[in-house]
Amino acid sequence: KAGVTQTPRYLIKTRGQQVTLSCSPISGHRSVSWYQQTPGQGLQFLFEYFSETQRNKGNFPGRFSGRQFSNSRSEMNVSTLELGDSALYLCASSFRTQETQYFGPGTRLLVL
Amino acid sequence: GIQVEQSPPDLILQEGANSTLRCNFSDSVNNLQWFHQNPWGQLINLFYIPSGTKQNGRLSATTVATERYSLLYISSSQTTDSGVYFCAVNQAGTALIFGKGTTLSVSS
Repeated sequence: KAGVTQTPRYLIKTRGQQVTLSCSPISGHRSVSWYQQTPGQGLQFLFEYFSETQRNKGNFPGRFSGRQFSNSRSEMNVSTLELGDSALYLCASSFRTQETQYFGPGTRLLVL
Repeated sequence: GIQVEQSPPDLILQEGANSTLRCNFSDSVNNLQWFHQNPWGQLINLFYIPSGTKQNGRLSATTVATERYSLLYISSSQTTDSGVYFCAVNQAGTALIFGKGTTLSVSS
């Protein structure tokens, strides 16, 4: 069974731009979660989706948004990028919420 | 919210040595997972262990939920074990909260 895939793997943007990251979960998994990892703050939860509904949201500004499609694929969007948004963005999927999470390889975003 | 503390923050070992990593959490949890992040950033799920003991090859984990801690044992460490080990927990209906991790370096 294929693992979690994330695209793109690397991205360079400038301040003020917006970015969209994509995550395809393991086949059959209906829950997708997003995390931001930075050296200073560690791994921080962004949001969780299950069956196209946002179930949980982390403590991030409204510039961070996400959605999940009927095929369980998920996207997250960051608008008006700031230098501090440079991070590794990780997506994880599970069959249901609160179960074992399987992570994708991540998207490394650099904001200049 | 719930606090997750991992110790030690850093660990340096020679190949073949054994180690124990600890995760303390401040409240009762529904779910506890251990992950290994390799040098390329990939997080690999090691154990889903809200309570009890599990073993997978050279790795084993024990969670004592009543005392709010979990231990990850690595035996006969290899250089490929290097990386960061994270403990993560959640309570009913809440998001997964990660500790700051233990960075393990195994040299040959």
